[in-house]
Amino acid sequence: EAQVTQNPRYLITVTGKKLTVTCSQNMNHEYMSWYRQDPGLGLRQIYYSMNVEVTDKGDVPEGYKVSRKEKRNFPLILESPSPNQTSLYFCASSLAVGYGYTFGSGTRLTVV
Amino acid sequence: KQEVTQIPAALSVPEGENLVLNCSFTDSAIYNLQWFRQDPGKGLTSLLLIQSSQREQTSGRLNASLDKSSGRSTLYIAASQPGDSATYLCAVKPNTGFQKLVFGTGTRLLVSP
Repeated sequence: EAQVTQNPRYLITVTGKKLTVTCSQNMNHEYMSWYRQDPGLGLRQIYYSMNVEVTDKGDVPEGYKVSRKEKRNFPLILESPSPNQTSLYFCASSLAVGYGYTFGSGTRLTVV
Repeated sequence: KQEVTQIPAALSVPEGENLVLNCSFTDSAIYNLQWFRQDPGKGLTSLLLIQSSQREQTSGRLNASLDKSSGRSTLYIAASQPGDSATYLCAVKPNTGFQKLVFGTGTRLLVSP
């Protein structure tokens, strides 16, 4: 089944403890993105990647890192999480320009 | 800066009713527009994708239209069912910054039996 898989689905962590949210797609998509969703603010892009080793900042990149060493994987790294990063995170992928996006099921992160 | 607005923010209808959800965007320079459905605590499910050169797309009971020049899209749901209850999001892909979707804040739909 063609899909975008995120792990974990739920995560509670403490301030400052490094964490990684994984994202993998099995559709050979070139483009991948991370979004966060917050009440009243909607979905905002954190980072995106146009291909292996090509990444760039979205609208809200502060406090996040990403890497794209393989085409299928696009992990989101929080080096020192803070409570304002408590949010619902989505990974998405797209085959190429002009194609629609496929989203993962989301990761609900709580930082205490 | 592209801004996307969805009206109404919430909508409650009885089962069987036909309904229209609205999406407006401020910059007509878009590549395409995509409608999504989001169930509580769940991911986004793509419903319809309309390219900028298209006027509408249909899938089952859903029909989405696009008027790029006026910055509007509508999602028409025919014969609504309780299972249609969800939040509906529209997102535009601007002509620049191809890898970014700009989302509206959604319309929360409740269909009562």
